[in-house]
Parts: sequence; C-alpha cells; structure tokens
Amino acid sequence: NAGVTQTPKFQVLKTGQSMTLQCAQDMNHNSMYWYRQDPGMGLRLIYYSASEGTTDKGEVPNGYNVSRLNKREFSLRLESAAPSQTSVYFCASSTEGPTYEQYFGPGTRLTVT
Amino acid sequence: GEDVEQSLFLSVREGDSSVINCTYTDSSSTYLYWYKQEPGAGLQLLTYIFSNMDMKQDQRLTVLLNKKDKHLSLRIADTQTGDSAIYFCAESYSGYSTLTFGKGTMLLVSP
Repeated sequence: NAGVTQTPKFQVLKTGQSMTLQCAQDMNHNSMYWYRQDPGMGLRLIYYSASEGTTDKGEVPNGYNVSRLNKREFSLRLESAAPSQTSVYFCASSTEGPTYEQYFGPGTRLTVT
Repeated sequence: GEDVEQSLFLSVREGDSSVINCTYTDSSSTYLYWYKQEPGAGLQLLTYIFSNMDMKQDQRLTVLLNKKDKHLSLRIADTQTGDSAIYFCAESYSGYSTLTFGKGTMLLVSP
C-alpha cells in the first residue's frame, strides 16, 4: 500500500516549456487534489476532482490544466511554464465525507528558469 | 470569506509542552484538522475534531476547540526533537471536500 505517489520528485524547466506532473493513489479514494506550496503562502488549491470524470478549479488554476485519467490517477499539466510557477506541488486524495481526511504525496519540487 | 490564521513560529525545549494556536473565521466549519509537515515531505494528518466537540485527546496530542471564539489549539505533551516540523491547521465545510489551510506554524524543539 504505497498511498499517494508523485513523479517526478524534482524538475527544472525553462520558461515556455511544458510538462505533466503525475499522481496516483491506491486507497480507492474518489476525491483528489493538486496544491502548490510557496514560502509564506501556505498551501493553495490549484484543481480538484471529486470523482472520476469531474474536475473543478481551486484558488489558483491559471496556467494549469488537469486530467482525471481514472480513479487512481490525477495529472497536472503546465502548458507554458513561467518563473511564477516555481513551487513545490503536492497531490492529495481524501476519504469520503463528512471527515474528508486528506492524504498527501511527497511532492514535486519544480524550478522554472 | 474563509480565512485560517496561525502564528508563524514556536520554539520550545525538549520535554516541555507545546501549544500551537489557530483562529478561523467561518462559523459553518464542520471539521477542523491538524497536519504535520516534516522537511522535504508531504503533509501528514495528525488529528481532527468535529466542530461540536470541545476537546479531543490522542496520546500526546490534545486538541481544544472554542467555537465561540473560533479558536483551535494543538497541545503536544512531552515535546521531542522529532516533533520539530511545520504544523498546519485546516477547516472543512459541510458538503464540500476541499479544505482551507492556514499558512503553518514552524515548531522548533531544542535539546
């Protein structure tokens, strides 16, 4: 039982390049999330998916797209990376309500130069 | 609007108790959570409390909730150096699967 896994762990991109961050969970959770964490800003929600086939915008969706490939996998795509997207990205999945306990992956540290 | 606030930093000595505080603004919160983040790792759920409870104890952790003042605290008894981490408070709302997180409190435990 690996929980939530993310790949890659580290990535350096040049401005304008694209990439996809991968996330998978083996806990049979319906809900999955993408966050970014920046110093002094805490965690900010980028997108989430309440079930397979649905996605919704969070607090900071601009510059990102997501795909809920199946129940296990939820990917985050940067189409044209910008230095402002330098951050640590976390994927999470959660149990059902009412408690919605979220379980986090180890993160992807992304630098855009 | 929703907002969760925490103090940024707390320093304690090993063996002392630590108290990390959090305030929230939305009275419709249903659950309140404490997460721990160690360096270079993701967040780990420590505990949560339903909004109609006053207190919850789990081994060395005690959560106190003052709903009138919208104040949540996490007390760690007999703090160890391994407790050094960032602690996040978060809240959820009825019917929504998303959480609102505070900016985190860095706890530094010195020997």
